[in-house]
Amino acid sequence: DTEVTQTPKHLVMGMTNKKSLKCEQHMGHRAMYWYKQKAKKPPELMFVYSYEKLSINESVPSRFSPECPNSSLLNLHLHALQPEDSALYLCASSQVGQTGKAGELFFGEGSRLTVL
Amino acid sequence: AQSVTQPDIHITVSEGASLELRCNYSYGATPYLFWYVQSPGQGLQLLLKYFSGDTLVQGIKGFEAEFKRSQSSFNLRKPSVHWSDAAEYFCAVGPPRNKLIFGAGTRLAVHP
Repeated sequence: DTEVTQTPKHLVMGMTNKKSLKCEQHMGHRAMYWYKQKAKKPPELMFVYSYEKLSINESVPSRFSPECPNSSLLNLHLHALQPEDSALYLCASSQVGQTGKAGELFFGEGSRLTVL
Repeated sequence: AQSVTQPDIHITVSEGASLELRCNYSYGATPYLFWYVQSPGQGLQLLLKYFSGDTLVQGIKGFEAEFKRSQSSFNLRKPSVHWSDAAEYFCAVGPPRNKLIFGAGTRLAVHP
């Protein structure tokens, strides 16, 4: 099983809503990532979890709150978002470490978020 | 500072023609290099990677890339492009602390 599954595929929310994006993988990877991607741009790293602990936060606003309940699941909780937060949110997983294997990211298809 | 440059924002080729997408990197140590492809509305998929050894690496979908240390390049090639190859292609280098550095991407269009 080499899939990373993201739900929902599409999400529309108002600026006062609270919603969550979910990501699941069963490849035994112990690093999981959230990326944000705007149209015609490369993915921007938001968060990295390594062994279920937050290891990288790229100065993301607190209205985005990540959570890693176990080694297979990654959530991104959304609250009080702004219209400029509308984007494709990609989850990825990989092996942990400083070797090249840690750069072999397996991506989900993304959750397309629209903030009204 | 580590960086990746993809000089070509947009490339158009005819179906059946050969393809080369350019990638130049700046990295302080021996780089780990990757090419990812993203079809419209999809996530990214790893095409191929270079860690060490043979500088010509083969990937999926008939793609190959050549690592040239002297030119700090890792160009992606395909001898004959198919219409289904139309997508966005990202070169990446890393990973320091699991933080992959992506280039800006090259959008490939394929004419029938």
